[in-house]
Amino acid sequence: GIQVEQSPPDLILQEGANSTLRCNFSDSVNNLQWFHQNPWGQLINLFYIPSGTKQNGRLSATTVATERYSLLYISSSQTTDSGVYFCAVEDSGGSNYKLTFGKGTLLTVNP
Amino acid sequence: NAGVTQTPKFQVLKTGQSMTLQCAQDMNHEYMSWYRQDPGMGLRLIHYSVGAGITDQGEVPNGYNVSRSTTEDFPLRLLSAAPSQTSVYFCASSYLTIGDTEAFFGQGTRLTVV
Repeated sequence: GIQVEQSPPDLILQEGANSTLRCNFSDSVNNLQWFHQNPWGQLINLFYIPSGTKQNGRLSATTVATERYSLLYISSSQTTDSGVYFCAVEDSGGSNYKLTFGKGTLLTVNP
Repeated sequence: NAGVTQTPKFQVLKTGQSMTLQCAQDMNHEYMSWYRQDPGMGLRLIHYSVGAGITDQGEVPNGYNVSRSTTEDFPLRLLSAAPSQTSVYFCASSYLTIGDTEAFFGQGTRLTVV
């Protein structure tokens, strides 16, 4: 099946700093999403981005499908950005529409 | 719009008990699915459905049953709970149209089997 690798696994920032999270995937995809899992366990949709670039406030994402990677940018980080960031992809050759998740990046933003 | 609603949020079961985790969505999505999230294992697909009356198994279906009698609802049944089923369960839904398959997740159910 498709492999999803996220880096870095852990990241500690001071409030106000910028960061880039990376997601590499091993095959072509129909769907790529970024999620934030907050400290209460909720999975919050950040971006649906199988290709191209999107921005939402301090967050933006870029997926280069031909090179099989996606980047999530967080600017001017806040303590509320803390949590785990997951990249999830749907294999375009798959038959069950399953999302395969990476292991996540644990982000801690200190005040 | 409520999105995807899961109940209950927390549940403790004794080994051998049965229960149903409820999932409902109000977005008219064709596709619904159940995942479990375990430390070090990520999210794994249990069962999924591409429409009312159609269900199929995911990666880890043993010990779970599902049915899909309506577009809106997709309950997950634990037949005889085991400690190995202690996990956080997420329900998700989406359209099936390529280019419009963004998945939306419920808030999760934290299940402990003792």
